[in-house]
Amino acid sequence: GAVVSQHPSWVICKSGTSVKIECRSLDFQATTMFWYRQFPKQSLMLMATSNEGSKATYEQGVEKDKFLINHASLTLSTLTVTSAHPEDSSFYICSARDLGTTGELFFGEGSRLTVL
Amino acid sequence: GESVGLHLPTLSVQEGDNSIINCAYSNSASDYFIWYKQESGKGPQFIIDIRSNMDKRQGQRVTVLLNKTVKHLSLQIAATQPGDSAVYFCAETLNDYKLSFGAGTTVTVRA
Repeated sequence: GAVVSQHPSWVICKSGTSVKIECRSLDFQATTMFWYRQFPKQSLMLMATSNEGSKATYEQGVEKDKFLINHASLTLSTLTVTSAHPEDSSFYICSARDLGTTGELFFGEGSRLTVL
Repeated sequence: GESVGLHLPTLSVQEGDNSIINCAYSNSASDYFIWYKQESGKGPQFIIDIRSNMDKRQGQRVTVLLNKTVKHLSLQIAATQPGDSAVYFCAETLNDYKLSFGAGTTVTVRA
């Protein structure tokens, strides 16, 4: 079946540094990908919608200058957490919609970010 | 904004019994609903979905019920197994676009 891959699966960084997380659709094309953030014991909160070839659409309250999203191809979207702080520590999950078949939404396995 | 909520945050069930997980949604315009299972440290895994023009849908060991009158969604798991232990989320969407997730119910299966 369709697979969405995230890399890295976990990352530890120092406060003030930037971290890039990749989301790839491995065997299908996706013009739209979604980025979620999940804090411990909480639900998934949509951060932004990543659109191939255009600017991302951010949800209310999400800082676009802090969470940079680039969707340069039909199979890759990246989320860069700039100047990361401990409060940015979270589980970041992406999803991608398969345009080729039923439009089903597939989720990645998530990326655990820990900011020291 | 609109969000999906859950009645109970935890559910403990005896192995072999049936499980029922409930969800209340707030957006009466939502037309598509999905149940996801999330194991620790992993992404959500699709279980079953239902569109608003249906009130029941069955899968393998799972059944989703939709009551649009009271905006209620439920997931029934038959003969619950240890591997069913996880957090279960319901999600809603309008026009099949952005998903809004509920708070999640942690299901623990007792041996």
